[in-house]
Amino acid sequence: EAQVTQNPRYLITVTGKKLTVTCSQNMNHEYMSWYRQDPGLGLRQIYYSMNVEVTDKGDVPEGYKVSRKEKRNFPLILESPSPNQTSLYFCASRGYQETQYFGPGTRLLVL
Amino acid sequence: AQSVTQLGSHVSVSEGALVLLRCNYSSSVPPYLFWYVQYPNQGLQLLLKYTSAATLVKGINGFEAEFKKSETSFHLTKPSAHMSDAAEYFCAVSVPGSCTTGKLIFGQGTTLQVKP
Repeated sequence: EAQVTQNPRYLITVTGKKLTVTCSQNMNHEYMSWYRQDPGLGLRQIYYSMNVEVTDKGDVPEGYKVSRKEKRNFPLILESPSPNQTSLYFCASRGYQETQYFGPGTRLLVL
Repeated sequence: AQSVTQLGSHVSVSEGALVLLRCNYSSSVPPYLFWYVQYPNQGLQLLLKYTSAATLVKGINGFEAEFKKSETSFHLTKPSAHMSDAAEYFCAVSVPGSCTTGKLIFGQGTTLQVKP
């Protein structure tokens, strides 16, 4: 089954404690991205990757890092999380005709 | 630059009534347009998309949308609402063939409530 998976689905952490949210897709897509969803703001792109070892900033990259060492994986790293990064995060991979396929989401609470 | 505006953050309809969710876009080049649905505690699921073929696009679960270039609109409709349609709906625009960000620009979302 074609899918995008994310882990963990729920995460509670404290300010400053580094964390990683994993993302994996099995569709052999080159393009992947991370979005965050906040009430009233829709989804905003954090980072994207055009291919292995090619990443760039989206609209709201501050406080985040990514890496793309393998085509299927695109982890999101918060090296020093802050409360304003409390949000719902989605990983997506892009296929034919710009259609993006989303993971199930990771709900993060930073205390 | 592209942008999307969804008119109405909350829409309430009775079961069996027409569903109309409004979306207007701004794009300097012919866009691709999408509607996604998000059920509670779930990810985003593609409802339908417009990619410059037919202007009336049919999607899953009885939804359809019409691309109107003159009005820069891509409103989502369903003739008869069902209780299971209660969810949040997002309109999004993308620029085809973009070699830079290739991102989707999302509207703010519209929560659809269906009353018995």
